[in-house]
Amino acid sequence: AQSVTQLDSHVSVSEGTPVLLRCNYSSSYSPSLFWYVQHPNKGLQLLLKYTSAATLVKGINGFEAEFKKSETSFHLTKPSAHMSDAAEYFCVVSDMRGYQKVTFGTGTKLQVIP
Amino acid sequence: GAVVSQHPSRVICKSGTSVKIECRSLDFQATTMFWYRQFPKQSLMLMATSNEGSKATYEQGVEKDKFLINHASLTLSTLTVTSAHPEDSSFYICSARGGRERVGSPLHFGNGTRLTVT
Repeated sequence: AQSVTQLDSHVSVSEGTPVLLRCNYSSSYSPSLFWYVQHPNKGLQLLLKYTSAATLVKGINGFEAEFKKSETSFHLTKPSAHMSDAAEYFCVVSDMRGYQKVTFGTGTKLQVIP
Repeated sequence: GAVVSQHPSRVICKSGTSVKIECRSLDFQATTMFWYRQFPKQSLMLMATSNEGSKATYEQGVEKDKFLINHASLTLSTLTVTSAHPEDSSFYICSARGGRERVGSPLHFGNGTRLTVT
């Protein structure tokens, strides 16, 4: 069994300040973990992925995430928020065995204040 | 990178009619495609998984006779919402995974279809 918990449904930051979006997971096996971003009425775009290599993962648009097994966390960070970062962010876990299941978190809406 | 094209992006239909949504992998062969439904301000709910050439596997609670999925080729899967009703109005998103991709590799998503049933 696997699950994903995104601890904050909404996060609001000022432009130029750091971003932290929290994600905790549980998985019976070694998981793959992903962060996706969704802009309004759009599909999901992959920001970054962790697949058992380096625990600090760098993604697109300046985002990065650190896999911490002891804390079962995979928090998404960015040093300085841009207005274009305002969107919905989903943390996703995928079981490394077999083909399923991909489990989505409930999403965190990021608001960037000018 | 891998591109998934979903069409149409928006559709409005009358209650009782059927609507077909297409999902195409443009530069890779998608052996597995997934269909999701997203309600406003909620996460994605997996509806079904389809493998090329075989019947789709539906999640519990999803009516297979209402949401017909066809995955006839390695680059095309379709979702048909039959006899649509206003409660079927939602955002539908497809995703695909290529046959050569490792298990646990990321999914490639289409841009979604906003369905409104009047």
